[in-house]
Amino acid sequence: AQTVTQSQPEMSVQEAETVTLSCTYDTSESDYYLFWYKQPPSRQMILVIRQEAYKQQNATENRFSVNFQKAAKSFSLKISDSQLGDAAMYFCAYSLHGDDKIIFGKGTRLHILP
Amino acid sequence: DADVTQTPRNRITKTGKRIMLECSQTKGHDRMYWYRQDPGLGLRLIYYSFDVKDINKGEISDGYSVSRQAQAKFSLSLESAIPNQTALYFCATSDRFQPQHFGDGTRLSIL
Repeated sequence: AQTVTQSQPEMSVQEAETVTLSCTYDTSESDYYLFWYKQPPSRQMILVIRQEAYKQQNATENRFSVNFQKAAKSFSLKISDSQLGDAAMYFCAYSLHGDDKIIFGKGTRLHILP
Repeated sequence: DADVTQTPRNRITKTGKRIMLECSQTKGHDRMYWYRQDPGLGLRLIYYSFDVKDINKGEISDGYSVSRQAQAKFSLSLESAIPNQTALYFCATSDRFQPQHFGDGTRLSIL
């Protein structure tokens, strides 16, 4: 069975600094998607970034980028120039290609210090 | 208007009551999902539906049932609510191979 592990329940970063959130996953499949979702205090679930496993190039969305290491089954999220609005719970997630059911990690709560 | 609408937004009820949470979408997606979020546990899949005639159990379906009334509507029912079903419930929709879009959640408290 596939699993997603986020080993950092909470993290803090100074405003304008860079922070990296860790995620590892376990699967025997080769074709899948990985995601980072953001959940601010408003409780919405917002897709931050999606990575397709067959693509070697790391996905990037503005200040958000990932480090996808397929062999190591690692998928970390880097937030550059952290802003107060980045404070949220961040979930790493996995979905098998063609299946669409998502398996979520337990989340990392990110605090931004002014 | 929101693409994925969940009602109610918050609900407090008593043990033993029957509860229905509703989800409707305007995105035209075939696939719909219900998740439950508990503190420290992330989101877990309760039920999912890939079209109107297709209903499947997820990881934690015990104590829940669903109804797909139309392509745009997917309801989650708790036949006899119990306190450990207190949680934040999310509905989501998607097209195949596309990311899921989530509603704003229903916070359910069972006393």
